[in-house]
Amino acid sequence: DAKTTQPPSMDCAEGRAANLPCNHSTISGNEYVYWYRQIHSQGPQYIIHGLKNNETNEMASLIITEDRKSSTLILPHATLRDTAVYYCIVRVDGSWGKLQFGAGTQVVVTP
Amino acid sequence: DGGITQSPKYLFRKEGQNVTLSCEQNLNHDAMYWYRQDPGQGLRLIYYSQIVNDFQKGDIAEGYSVSREKKESFPLTVTSAQKNPTAFYLCASSPWTGGRYEQYFGPGTRLTVT
Repeated sequence: DAKTTQPPSMDCAEGRAANLPCNHSTISGNEYVYWYRQIHSQGPQYIIHGLKNNETNEMASLIITEDRKSSTLILPHATLRDTAVYYCIVRVDGSWGKLQFGAGTQVVVTP
Repeated sequence: DGGITQSPKYLFRKEGQNVTLSCEQNLNHDAMYWYRQDPGQGLRLIYYSQIVNDFQKGDIAEGYSVSREKKESFPLTVTSAQKNPTAFYLCASSPWTGGRYEQYFGPGTRLTVT
């Protein structure tokens, strides 16, 4: 299974871009990178996923390096409601439906 | 509104009692999952089900049981054999879209056993 490494915490000023790094150096060629976030005491929320191309949706952008060993989730204009734990997950190959959640990054957006 | 419903939000039980947590979805998703979360930690998979009448053990299935008699329902029973049942329990579902998918989570049930 590909493992992910994220910083335990980071702060971001409201209105600024938040750049969340994730290392997944052992990722396989057919494994996707997923990002979820969990606001305190709620269920996780899907944000975005990608294989090798950069992806953008209404919530965020995902930048994956060419060698696919790392990625960055970008929240373009952070708001106080973006304060949450952000999980970078690589889909476990061969186990249908299984997502391996690590400890994630606690992001605190400050006014 | 389409979504996943978990009830109740808070549940209290005495040690030695079995307790069943409800999970219902109206998203017409094939797969459903149960996760457990302990304070300050990530989610750990308990059981999952890809289709009705079929389910698989996850990483920490001991002391838990599930059923999948209907597509929209996936109840989890925490038995008295589970040594540390106090936790935050999350149910999720996902469609099958040829290998790329996302999971949709319910609001969770916080179980306290004393």
